[in-house]
Amino acid sequence: GEDVEQSLFLSVREGDSSVINCTYTDSSSTYLYWYKQEPGAGLQLLTYIFSNMDMKQDQRLTVLLNKKDKHLSLRIADTQTGDSAIYFCAESPNDYKLSFGAGTTVTVRA
Amino acid sequence: EAGVTQFPSHSVIEKGQTVTLRCDPISGHDNLYWYRRVMGKEIKFLLHFVKESKQDESGMPNNRFLAERTGGTYSTLKVQPAELEDSGVYFCASSQGGFGSTDTQYFGPGTRLTVL
Repeated sequence: GEDVEQSLFLSVREGDSSVINCTYTDSSSTYLYWYKQEPGAGLQLLTYIFSNMDMKQDQRLTVLLNKKDKHLSLRIADTQTGDSAIYFCAESPNDYKLSFGAGTTVTVRA
Repeated sequence: EAGVTQFPSHSVIEKGQTVTLRCDPISGHDNLYWYRRVMGKEIKFLLHFVKESKQDESGMPNNRFLAERTGGTYSTLKVQPAELEDSGVYFCASSQGGFGSTDTQYFGPGTRLTVL
């Protein structure tokens, strides 16, 4: 199957770290993705990880991949108010169409 | 460089009416995708064009939906007749195409469709 699951809401205090978790079902995905949707905007590709990697770091973002458990996480260090958005986890079982989760709404409070 | 654009941004129609959504991909992108997010749920794939050809339309809900991509440029998605369950946000994405490294899909802002 192509089910991707993630928690729906996360509230975090400004300056703390945010961790968004995702589980997926299709182990054949070559890449796994994190997209961000800010209010009124489209989906922006935040980062992606190749399936043979365990970790990828990009400035404040850290992606962890556990292939055995089919678990993907996104950690945002020093969360800012501009990080408030919906974050979507996505897999690509056949390398073109994306299969998304329902999105995690992250709210950053002062 | 202009990104993916979609028109209209919002559409409110009555059940039984027809609506046509338009997507202009990034210039030079051969791949064009339509996705839909219904009622805050997951974003679901609808179909994929390579140039003017439909490569995969397995996600199209039923025959009330018709997608076209004239001349391999912009694409339209027509819903006729619209039903209540068609309400949602319709996203378009485009990608350059290619092989090997990730073929990034760039998304438009979406069209929010409300069927009353």
